[in-house]
Amino acid sequence: EVQLVESGGGLVRPGGSLRLSCAVSGFTFSGTWMSWVRQAPGRGPEWVAIIREDITETLYLESVKGRFTVSRDNAKNSLYLQMRSLRPEDTAVYFCVVGWAGDHWGRGTLVTVSS
Amino acid sequence: DVVVTQYPLALPVTLGQAASISCRCSQSVVSGDGNTYLNWYQQRPGQSPRRLIHEVSKRDSGVPDRFSGSGSGTDFTLKISRVEAEDVGLYYCMQSTHWPTFGLGTRVQIK
Repeated sequence: EVQLVESGGGLVRPGGSLRLSCAVSGFTFSGTWMSWVRQAPGRGPEWVAIIREDITETLYLESVKGRFTVSRDNAKNSLYLQMRSLRPEDTAVYFCVVGWAGDHWGRGTLVTVSS
Repeated sequence: DVVVTQYPLALPVTLGQAASISCRCSQSVVSGDGNTYLNWYQQRPGQSPRRLIHEVSKRDSGVPDRFSGSGSGTDFTLKISRVEAEDVGLYYCMQSTHWPTFGLGTRVQIK
């Protein structure tokens, strides 16, 4: 069974940083693209970042470029999202997602950016 | 980015009746490899999105056959042949041929 468990969310002030983690099991993590997708309260999902299985390629939503960094540790079956210079508009539930087309989603971790 | 437009935004349906959601993309979502990466998701209240359909019409594992997808190019449709109470929730159209983008969602509710 595919399992994706996110952690690391919380309340942070504007300009602050957070690092999200996602522990993965149930499939061959090292052979799969992985993504972070967020969903602001009352809104639809928004793709944030994607990383290739061999870490040779990463892609980002325009509004997070230069502030967010996606990474992975294939030996630990883990995905990460380092978020810096956080803004109130980054407030959302952040989901760890398999692939480009959202085959499987975690339950998400809530990030709240507020003073 | 590709703009995905869904309609209607709200869909009241009678149990046992059919329902249909339309999705239009601002440009073709046919990929260079010939595939069309158009997907449909269901999000029940308080849950994560769950993919129902990928590549226009391929049902994901465990998805009831009352759900079906169709369309091509820029226009697509999700149909529920006989709505059940468990189908209440938000439905999203999403393309992943280009940078992935979602529609605003259609809220399916029982009359």
